[in-house]
Amino acid sequence: EVQLLQSGGGLVQPGGSLRLSCTASGITLGDYAMNWVRQAPGKGLEWVSTISDDGSGTYYADSVKGRFTISRDNSKNTLFLQMNSLGVEDTAVYYCARSDFCHPVKCFLVDPWGQGTLVTVSS
Amino acid sequence: IQLTQSPSSLSASVGDRVTITCRASQAISSYLAWIQQKPGKVPKVLIYSASTLQSGVPSRFSGSGSGTDFTLTISSLQPEDFATYYCQQLNSFPITFGQGTRLEIK
Repeated sequence: EVQLLQSGGGLVQPGGSLRLSCTASGITLGDYAMNWVRQAPGKGLEWVSTISDDGSGTYYADSVKGRFTISRDNSKNTLFLQMNSLGVEDTAVYYCARSDFCHPVKCFLVDPWGQGTLVTVSS
Repeated sequence: IQLTQSPSSLSASVGDRVTITCRASQAISSYLAWIQQKPGKVPKVLIYSASTLQSGVPSRFSGSGSGTDFTLTISSLQPEDFATYYCQQLNSFPITFGQGTRLEIK
């Protein structure tokens, strides 16, 4: 069974930084592109970032470009999201999710999803 | 690419047939997925590639469409189907989601 276990959320002050992690089990992470998606309280789903299977390609939503960095350590089966210059608008539950059926980052499926981790930006 | 779902909310009864539509602002081939989310829960993919049922999803869910117009149909609503539904396009970056359709019990 594929599982994505997330860690690293919490409370941070505006302007601060936080790093999220997502460790996969049941798969070889290096075989897949990976994503981060977030959901602000009471709001819909928002794609944040995608990274190719080997890390050579990264893609970002305009709302986080220049502040967030997606990366991966395939030897540790782990995906990361480094978040800098956080603002209150970044408060959300963040989900990691696997891409599947891709050629190479144009994919038909983003599934499964991690359990989600809450990031709260507040003074 | 903007995705517009209709309706934004819907009241229906157990046993009803329900259809939710998703319109893309430009053609996305069949790079569309449907996602179900219940309050406080992780999103669950129901359909991908516009019409392929994800493993483990009941057959009362079906998807159709290609290009710009897509539909999600639930053939006979069950109590556990009351949730919010999102469409998602993966044709090009940025990946985008519809605004959601909230399906409530009548």
